[in-house]
Amino acid sequence: DTAVSQTPKYLVTQMGNDKSIKCEQNLGHDTMYWYKQDSKKFLKIMFSYNNKELIINETVPNRFSPKSPDKAHLNLHINSLELGDSAVYFCASSQNSGSTGELFFGEGSRLTVL
Amino acid sequence: AQTVTQSQPEMSVQEAETVTLSCTYDTSESNYYLFWYKQPPSRQMILVIRQEAYKQQNATENRFSVNFQKAAKSFSLKISDSQLGDTAMYFCAFMKRHSGNTPLVFGKGTRLSVIA
Repeated sequence: DTAVSQTPKYLVTQMGNDKSIKCEQNLGHDTMYWYKQDSKKFLKIMFSYNNKELIINETVPNRFSPKSPDKAHLNLHINSLELGDSAVYFCASSQNSGSTGELFFGEGSRLTVL
Repeated sequence: AQTVTQSQPEMSVQEAETVTLSCTYDTSESNYYLFWYKQPPSRQMILVIRQEAYKQQNATENRFSVNFQKAAKSFSLKISDSQLGDTAMYFCAFMKRHSGNTPLVFGKGTRLSVIA
């Protein structure tokens, strides 16, 4: 069983469209994250949720909206896609209480905006 | 804010040889974790090794070991007996340790190529 799973793994779309990426973890963790990896491979935190509550919201355009229906799921919705949104988006999870600090990552979702 | 610096964008090593990847970080925290993650061409982020700042002993995982110098804020990764499967991007990462959740802060990565 995949611990952190993201769908879709690849997404090609036109500028201006709206798209969503879904993430689910079956590890029982209470914290989930979205990271963006740009074309130079730099990984930057976007959002973090702890028990469905938004904890971290970095400087990200309002077009990006995370949603956590329960602590096992964290979805990312992007409105009005722009060329600069092309990247790989990683979902991750960790156990906050008694944490060893380790993040478990999904396989990433490669978004290409044309 | 914490920063992580990896000064070697690319490195290469012959199969079976040893290579060391550098990482320095900047923080005013005294209690934190440090990590090395590996990202092979498959894109998956894989934890290689983890160090808790309060532990003086350097972490070791099979062929992977670290040289943790807390005063110098240095955390290098040594890969012994390099294998072709070690070819990947390697990211050094920092996380504050406290009761709330904090994100990993990553360096820009080092691309390692193992040559047959």
